[in-house]
Amino acid sequence: GEDVEQSLFLSVREGDSSVINCTYTDSSSTYLYWYKQEPGAGLQLLTYIFSNMDMKQDQRLTVLLNKKDKHLSLRIADTQTGDSAIYFCAEIRDNFNKFYFGSGTKLNVKP
Amino acid sequence: GAGVSQSPSNKVTEKGKDVELRCDPISGHTALYWYRQSLGQGLEFLIYFQGNSAPDKSGLPSDRFSAERTGGSVSTLTIQRTQQEDSAVYLCASSQGPNQPQHFGDGTRLSIL
Repeated sequence: GEDVEQSLFLSVREGDSSVINCTYTDSSSTYLYWYKQEPGAGLQLLTYIFSNMDMKQDQRLTVLLNKKDKHLSLRIADTQTGDSAIYFCAEIRDNFNKFYFGSGTKLNVKP
Repeated sequence: GAGVSQSPSNKVTEKGKDVELRCDPISGHTALYWYRQSLGQGLEFLIYFQGNSAPDKSGLPSDRFSAERTGGSVSTLTIQRTQQEDSAVYLCASSQGPNQPQHFGDGTRLSIL
């Protein structure tokens, strides 16, 4: 299909790991991105991965990329209540002109 | 601050009125994007400016929507004869160029009565 797909909701307990999944569409996408949106705010860039990488780690965040399956995931270790937000994945298409965003995964962290 | 600035942060207007939304990108960023985010939805691409090139308007939903970017910096998104379905958060983003991470403003929440 044409859409970048994400599950809508994820609920975890504080201290657990969270894994947010995304399926993208363009196998030629060069960069894939993860953004975080807190209530009433814009999108904050969390991390991104270049398509020739399988994994990227940045403190509590780990991004895994499976190009064969066009699957991207974001793992948050030791999830905190402050991590509660909506997480968007995004890919670039059309000769780098357009970002396409998934519908977002709402992460709820229970104390 | 040095981030993307949008104004107003909230706008309430009557159906049929025209509205203008403003975006101040990060200084030096050549690319500027407008998106629309309806309640509980993802981002819908509206328009993209890159340097002095003709903008990519392919996401504009109707001819009531237009955008300008003057001097390669500030951009204005104009919605004419607003309709209730135009109610949404309008987000602006800028980047150093194509394929570079986009940095977002906090958006303008538009409510059409």
